[in-house]
Amino acid sequence: DVKVTQSSRYLVKRTGEKVFLECVQDMDHENMFWYRQDPGLGLRLIYFSYDVKMKEKGDIPEGYSVSREKKERFSLILESASTNQTSMYLCASSFRGTANSPLHFGNGTRLTVT
Amino acid sequence: GQSLEQPSEVTAVEGAIVQINCTYQTSGFYGLSWYQQHDGGAPTFLSYNALDGLEETGRFSSFLSRSDSYGYLLLQELQMKDSASYFCALRRDSNYQLIWGAGTKLIIKP
Repeated sequence: DVKVTQSSRYLVKRTGEKVFLECVQDMDHENMFWYRQDPGLGLRLIYFSYDVKMKEKGDIPEGYSVSREKKERFSLILESASTNQTSMYLCASSFRGTANSPLHFGNGTRLTVT
Repeated sequence: GQSLEQPSEVTAVEGAIVQINCTYQTSGFYGLSWYQQHDGGAPTFLSYNALDGLEETGRFSSFLSRSDSYGYLLLQELQMKDSASYFCALRRDSNYQLIWGAGTKLIIKP
C-alpha cells in the first residue's frame, strides 16, 4: 500500500514564526500536493509538484512556499505564520501516468497559530 | 468559474440506500472522483467516472452525466462504518489538479 507520512499530527506555532511541514511518500509517485482543509470549504490546493524541483501554484498559494529537492519529499513552508493559517494541512501524492490516478493522502497536520 | 455543489449533510438508516448528489459548473474535465473521509482521518479514494454511466464497486456505485452536469455516489446496505464525509472532485482538463466539493457528512442511524 502507498504510504504518505506527514511529520507532525499537531503543531502549535506563534504568529510570525517560520513553519515547516514535511511530507514523505514511499511509492515513487511523480505528483505531490499540499492542501488545506477548512470546515465547509472542502480541500483547497496550495501548491503541487509534478517532478523534483518543479512546483506549480494552486488556488491559495499566498503566504506559502514549497520545496521538492527529492522525489519522495515535499515540504510546505509558512514564511511568517498568521492566525488565518490555522487549519488542517493535507499532503497527497499520485502517479502521473493516467488521468484517473487517485490521490493518496497523509493523515494531516493540524496547525494552530496563536 | 468552476464549482461543485453537494448537500452539506445527509441522514440515513442502517441497511438502507443513500444517494449523495454532486452538481458542477465547469467546462472541460477528465472525470469525476469520489473520496471518503472519516473524522480525524485522511481522505481515501472511492471511485472515478471518466465516462457517462454507472460504475459499481461492491456496495458503492458512482454515476456521471456530463449532459446534465451531475453525478452521484450511491451507497447500498449502509453500515455504521459508512458514517463519514464524502467529497466529489473534478479532475481539470489541463493538469492533475482536482476541484473539490465542500463535502457531504453522512450520518447513519441504527
